[in-house]
Amino acid sequence: DAGITQSPRHKVTETGTPVTLRCHQTENHRYMYWYRQDPGHGLRLIHYSYGVKDTDKGEVSDGYSVSRSKTEDFLLTLESATSSQTSVYFCAISGGGNEQFFGPGTRLTVL
Amino acid sequence: GESVGLHLPTLSVQEGDNSIINCAYSNSASDYFIWYKQESGKGPQFIIDIRSNMDKRQGQRVTVLLNKTVKHLSLQIAATQPGDSAVYFCAEKSGSARQLTFGSGTQLTVLP
Repeated sequence: DAGITQSPRHKVTETGTPVTLRCHQTENHRYMYWYRQDPGHGLRLIHYSYGVKDTDKGEVSDGYSVSRSKTEDFLLTLESATSSQTSVYFCAISGGGNEQFFGPGTRLTVL
Repeated sequence: GESVGLHLPTLSVQEGDNSIINCAYSNSASDYFIWYKQESGKGPQFIIDIRSNMDKRQGQRVTVLLNKTVKHLSLQIAATQPGDSAVYFCAEKSGSARQLTFGSGTQLTVLP
């Protein structure tokens, strides 16, 4: 595996609570991405980063924010979690080529 | 809008046979395509990629074919093994920052 870790790997939370997911890489890659994966929808891009403090929205960004203060860390925050945000979240990184390498995922359940 | 889709949601093959997984794309301007394999409970794993200036690319036991005329992509797996059982996704590069748009996936099951 590329040097990507995600934490936590599993989380159960209640509607309305804030949640932060962390992606950490040891590859020094410039690009980082957050996706969510739901049955029937494949992988959908939430936000991405093209450098420290440089981020932009993806296809399904509503309800999510991100931050990247260091090359190695990309944080995804749900300010007020909703049941529709129950999903598996994947972080990916990309360096010199177009391919993206994925982390192991975080399974989030919002009750 | 632009989309990447898969022809068949499930595919079952006998061990040792060849597998072909198909993918249709609609963005004729896409210049890069990639296949991923995802095993249960894991993140997608890169298999092989191809640029639009190529028709075919081979890897170890895998071949990707690109037909730009009909906007069709396929992944061929030779001598399919039980370890090949997984969901396979195609994706195309879209937008800036090397964004990828993914299809919904095909579940490949290898029968003994």
